[in-house]
Amino acid sequence: DADVTQTPRNRITKTGKRIMLECSQTKGHDRMYWYRQDPGLGLRLIYYSFDVKDINKGEISDGYSVSRQAQAKFSLSLESAIPNQTALYFCATSDLAEDTDTQYFGPGTRLTVL
Amino acid sequence: GQNIDQPTEMTATEGAIVQINCTYQTSGFNGLFWYQQHAGEAPTFLSYNVLDGLEEKGRFSSFLSRSKGYSYLLLKELQMKDSASYLCAAMDSNYQLIWGAGTKLIIKP
Repeated sequence: DADVTQTPRNRITKTGKRIMLECSQTKGHDRMYWYRQDPGLGLRLIYYSFDVKDINKGEISDGYSVSRQAQAKFSLSLESAIPNQTALYFCATSDLAEDTDTQYFGPGTRLTVL
Repeated sequence: GQNIDQPTEMTATEGAIVQINCTYQTSGFNGLFWYQQHAGEAPTFLSYNVLDGLEEKGRFSSFLSRSKGYSYLLLKELQMKDSASYLCAAMDSNYQLIWGAGTKLIIKP
């Protein structure tokens, strides 16, 4: 079984709809991240959480919100989706207890907003 | 500001060696990561350097020069399955990763 899972894997929605993307991990990591990836651009950080009670905005948090329901679960919401939020979304986890704090990624969610 | 530069695309021949360069500017530095990403898939971790020098891991090696803000990923004995994008990322003083846009590596027979 995969250590980091994301649901759904693909989603097509319409402008103005509320969308939730979910991420679960079995790695036991404290830190979780949400990124988006657009063609020709690097991964951009949306939100990150270092533990259940910690939520931090990343580089591009406008239009997004998150919820850390448990150590293993981190959800990303688009309150009112717009076409320029069409992208590939990745969840990642890491653990500072590991020397390198290496991030491990889920398989991604491809979101299309029409 | 913080910035990562790496070539957009490179082409190499199966069985050959290729070097992918990366330069970085970050507020503080806590290490340099390389990831491999096949089209439409998740990035997967390849290597981490925090001290100057070369780290070798099978066919892949990664080099870091902190004084020059420079790293490279060296891939030997190229195989068709190495066709992918290679992402360079530097960790800043807040332990945030700053990502390059990736280098698309095309392997030709």
